[in-house]
Amino acid sequence: GAVVSQHPSRVICKSGTSVKIECRSLDFQATTMFWYRQFPKQSLMLMATSNEGSKATYEQGVEKDKFLINHASLTLSTLTVTSAHPEDSSFYICSAIARQAPNTGELFFGEGSRLTVL
Amino acid sequence: GENVEQHPSTLSVQEGDSAVIKCTYSDSASNYFPWYKQELGKGPQLIIDIRSNVGEKKDQRIAVTLNKTAKHFSLHITETQPEDSAVYFCAASIGGSARQLTFGSGTQLTVLP
Repeated sequence: GAVVSQHPSRVICKSGTSVKIECRSLDFQATTMFWYRQFPKQSLMLMATSNEGSKATYEQGVEKDKFLINHASLTLSTLTVTSAHPEDSSFYICSAIARQAPNTGELFFGEGSRLTVL
Repeated sequence: GENVEQHPSTLSVQEGDSAVIKCTYSDSASNYFPWYKQELGKGPQLIIDIRSNVGEKKDQRIAVTLNKTAKHFSLHITETQPEDSAVYFCAASIGGSARQLTFGSGTQLTVLP
C-alpha cells in the first residue's frame, strides 16, 4: 500500500525555537495533504488542509503565523511550528490523498511526530 | 457542520470474543464512513470503510454496518486477538471521499489474553 513518511518522529526543542516537520508521500503523488494535532487520549484535530502550489487553508482557531505550512511539491508538505512554547507540545500527524490509481482518493496517514517543547 | 459521536470510549473483551464500536453522525449528506486503527505512538491506519450505497461490508474478521435512516454505523471485530488492541476511530465525510473527514473521539480497545 501507499506510504506516508513523517520526519522527525520525535523532536525535543527549547522554548522559543522553531521546529520543522516533514510529510512525504513515498510512492504516490498527493493532491492534498492534511495536518492534524492530537492530544493524549483524544481524537485528531484537523489543523489545516494543504494543496500543492497554493496556500494552506487553516481551521478556525489555528494560528497561521504560528503553524506555517508549505506544500512545495506533490510529494512533500512541511509544518513549521514557529517560536514553540510548552503548550505546543503534542503529537502532529499528516495525511495525504492519493492522486492516481490504484488508490485514487484514498487517505493515508503518516506515523506522526511527537513534539516536546521544554 | 458534521458531528460524529463514538461509543464506548473504552472497551475490554476477552480474546476470542467479539467487539462492537458504534458511531452516530449528524449530517445526513455524509456518505463516506471509514474506520481507522491507531496503535500507540503511530499514525492511524485505514482498516475498513463503507459508502452510503451499501449497508454492510466485511473483510475477514472485521465488518462495518451502516444505517442511513438512523445515521449510525458500527464496527464489528470477531474472534478478537491481542494484536487488535489499539484505539479505533470512526469518521464521516460528505462527497464520498476522505476529504474533510470528521473524526469520532476514539475507542480504546483492549483484548485480554
